[in-house]
Formats: sequence, structure tokens, C-alpha cells
Amino acid sequence: AQKVTQAQTEISVVEKEDVTLDCVYETRDTTYYLFWYKQPPSGELVFLIRRNSFDEQNEISGRYSWNFQKSTSSFNFTITASQVVDSAVYFCALSGATGKLIFGQGTTLQVKP
Amino acid sequence: NAGVTQTPKFRILKIGQSMTLQCTQDMNHNYMYWYRQDPGMGLKLIYYSVGAGITDKGEVPNGYNVSRSTTEDFPLRLELAAPSQTSVYFCASSDRGTGELFFGEGSRLTVL
Repeated sequence: AQKVTQAQTEISVVEKEDVTLDCVYETRDTTYYLFWYKQPPSGELVFLIRRNSFDEQNEISGRYSWNFQKSTSSFNFTITASQVVDSAVYFCALSGATGKLIFGQGTTLQVKP
Repeated sequence: NAGVTQTPKFRILKIGQSMTLQCTQDMNHNYMYWYRQDPGMGLKLIYYSVGAGITDKGEVPNGYNVSRSTTEDFPLRLELAAPSQTSVYFCASSDRGTGELFFGEGSRLTVL
């Protein structure tokens, strides 16, 4: 069975601090895909990144970076020099061979000025 | 481009009533999904479809039904509404099960 665990329910930081959001997953599929989505207070869901199980190379996009480690079944997300606009709920998600895509319970990030 | 369109955006139901949440997409995506998001919680998969005529249960299918007669439409039926079904419902589509999801704006349902 597939499972995504985001153990951090809420994180509060002060602007310009770095913050890492943890994501641990479980799957029996050898091919799978991992995602991060952002849900700002307005409620829409914004796609951030997709990673397949064969590509463990870390990725950086501006202030965002992602660390994928198959050995620990983790796909962590780091925001460098956080800003108030980063305040949102962040979801990690997992898709396997069948196309069934499940989400973790989300981490609420509050960035204070 | 409309993308994924959900209707209605808001609805109040009485216990025991039934209704259908409509979802349509104009991107010719094969994969479509229904999620529910309870207040302060994550998204739970209700049903998904990998193509017209094919549907499968997700994590929380009880109390719901779906159909997929066309590529574009994926309606979600609530039978005998219960207060536990009060939630925000999101429909989403993807060109492949491993690709980015495109979400609708959500439908807020309250069952009283």
C-alpha cells in the first residue's frame, strides 16, 4: 500500500530563516513519482515539483530545493531565506504505477515578518 | 483555456439528500481524480479514473459514486448525505498518472 507521512503539522519561522519540510513515503512499486504542492490561504493547489524514482539528483529552483533519498524513502523540501509569501500549507504526494495519487496530511508553514 | 471546471462552488445539503458534483476538463486528459479536504487536513482520494469507462476506489470511497462516460466529465455522486461529508471537494486531471495534477477551484459542501 502507498503512504505519505508529513510528520510536521505546523512550522513557524521568522522571515529569512531557512526551513525544511519533511516527507517520508512508503510504496511497493519500483517506479513511482513524488510531488510537492503548495496551498496558499486562497485555497488553490499549486504544483511545485515532480520527481521520478530513478532520478535521485537534488533539484534547486530559486529559493526552493528538494532532497530525494531512496535509502531513507524521503523527499524533503527546503525553502531558503523564507518570505512571508511562503506562508501556506505544503503537501507531499506519491503516485505509483496505477496512477493512483495520494497526498500526505500537509505541513502548515507560517513565516512571520 | 478553462482547464478543470467544478460546479457548484458552494452547496448546502440536508441530511439524507443526494447530489452530484460536476467536473469537466478541456485538456483531453485521461486521468481524473476526486479528493476531499476536511478543515485543516490533507487531501484524501475518493475515486479516480484512468480513462473513459474505467474508475477505481481511492482511500475514502464510502458514500460516493462516480462514472466516467466521456474523457471530459467525471461527476461525483453523493447518496444520502451525512454531516461527515461536509468538506471541500477538489476535482483534478492529469495527462498521465505520473504527471502534474491540474485542479479545479473546489466545491465547498456543507451537510446540515
